Amino acid sequence: QVQLQESGPGLVKPSETLSLICTVSGASMSSDYWSWVRQPPGKGLEWIGYISYRGTTNYNPSLQSRVTISLDTSKNHFSLRLSSVTAADTAVYYCARHTIVVRGFDPWGQGTLVTVSS
Amino acid sequence: EIVLTQSPGTLSLSPGERATLSCRASQTVSSNYLAWYQQKPGQAPRLLIHGASSRATGIPDRFSGSGSGTDFTLSISRLEPEDFAMYYCQQYSISPRTFGQGTRLEIK
Repeated sequence: QVQLQESGPGLVKPSETLSLICTVSGASMSSDYWSWVRQPPGKGLEWIGYISYRGTTNYNPSLQSRVTISLDTSKNHFSLRLSSVTAADTAVYYCARHTIVVRGFDPWGQGTLVTVSS
Repeated sequence: EIVLTQSPGTLSLSPGERATLSCRASQTVSSNYLAWYQQKPGQAPRLLIHGASSRATGIPDRFSGSGSGTDFTLSISRLEPEDFAMYYCQQYSISPRTFGQGTRLEIK
């Protein structure tokens, strides 16, 4: 059974860089696609971007200038970096997988709340 | 970018009734690359339907998806108490992947 788990600081100062890791268990990262999705408190879902098993990336244009997603297959995890954060980046951040066969996000991590505040 | 508009915003029904949720796209979602998710408070979303009509693994058959082009529907044939939650549609036809704003299914 594939499981994903997010980890990282729950509080980030404005203008700094948010960094999160998603650890994958039960699956090899040498296949499939690995995404980050966020959800501001009380609001809807926003796709941030994904990295493929080959290391190619695809980012949401609304965040592209500030986002980097990277992959470390040896550690079975992938990472998110979001630079120059503001209060608008406060959200629950989820990691998720999709495959060529099932292109919806499945499964998801439990999510981690990141608050941007001084 | 494809904008997805879900309706209604809130749907109030009783257990045992049938629910019909709508998702309309601003342009054609090719290859029926549309998914539906259920989200309960404090939990991550759960994939229900992909490819507009294929149930994800472990999803009960009371959930069904239909539609094509720009109009898609999620139906729940007989509502169980655990079905009352938030529902989102999402397209993966073109980048960026986008979600609808959600429909809240509440107990009447």
